[in-house]
Amino acid sequence: KAGVTQTPRYLIKTRGQQVTLSCSPISGHRSVSWYQQTPGQGLQFLFEYFSETQRNKGNFPGRFSGRQFSNSRSEMNVSTLELGDSALYLCASSLEVTDLTGELFFGEGSRLTVL
Amino acid sequence: GQNIDQPTEMTATEGAIVQINCTYQTSGFNGLFWYQQHAGEAPTFLSYNVLDGLEEKGRFSSFLSRSKGYSYLLLKELQMKDSASYLCAVRALAGAGSYQLTFGKGTKLSVIP
Repeated sequence: KAGVTQTPRYLIKTRGQQVTLSCSPISGHRSVSWYQQTPGQGLQFLFEYFSETQRNKGNFPGRFSGRQFSNSRSEMNVSTLELGDSALYLCASSLEVTDLTGELFFGEGSRLTVL
Repeated sequence: GQNIDQPTEMTATEGAIVQINCTYQTSGFNGLFWYQQHAGEAPTFLSYNVLDGLEEKGRFSSFLSRSKGYSYLLLKELQMKDSASYLCAVRALAGAGSYQLTFGKGTKLSVIP
């Protein structure tokens, strides 16, 4: 069973540019969540999608957006990049939000560096 | 909002026992998770508690007290490979019947010979 796949794994951008990150969840998983991980703040929740609908959104500016497709694959976009957006962006999938444990399965992440 | 606290760093000796504490404040509590994250890798699920008490899984155990907003992860017979960050995460009602998982900043555990 393939795990959560994130692309690209590494990328470098400059301030003002925009970036799109992709996540393919485990087959059969319909819930996809995105997290930003930095050394100082740890894992911070960005948003969660279920059946192509955004269920929850964290406290991030509108420059951060996402979407989910009918095959459960998800993308997140960050526009007008700032230096502080440099981070590891983790995607996680789960079967259902309300299943027995609802444990998340994480991808390896996309490491974004903004210069 | 939610507030989750755990120690930043801990050091323990190979073969020993270590307890990593986590305290939280939240409304709409729906479960507490522990994840392990090795440097440069993705977090992996360790344990889940939704009711008070101890859940044991091999060398790892997790305890929850909902009334005290307190959990701990107990690691026995420590091995060098247990050196990692341990993340406490709380799931709570986020509105409209949905839930959100919020993570603490993690405890970096170093196991020394």
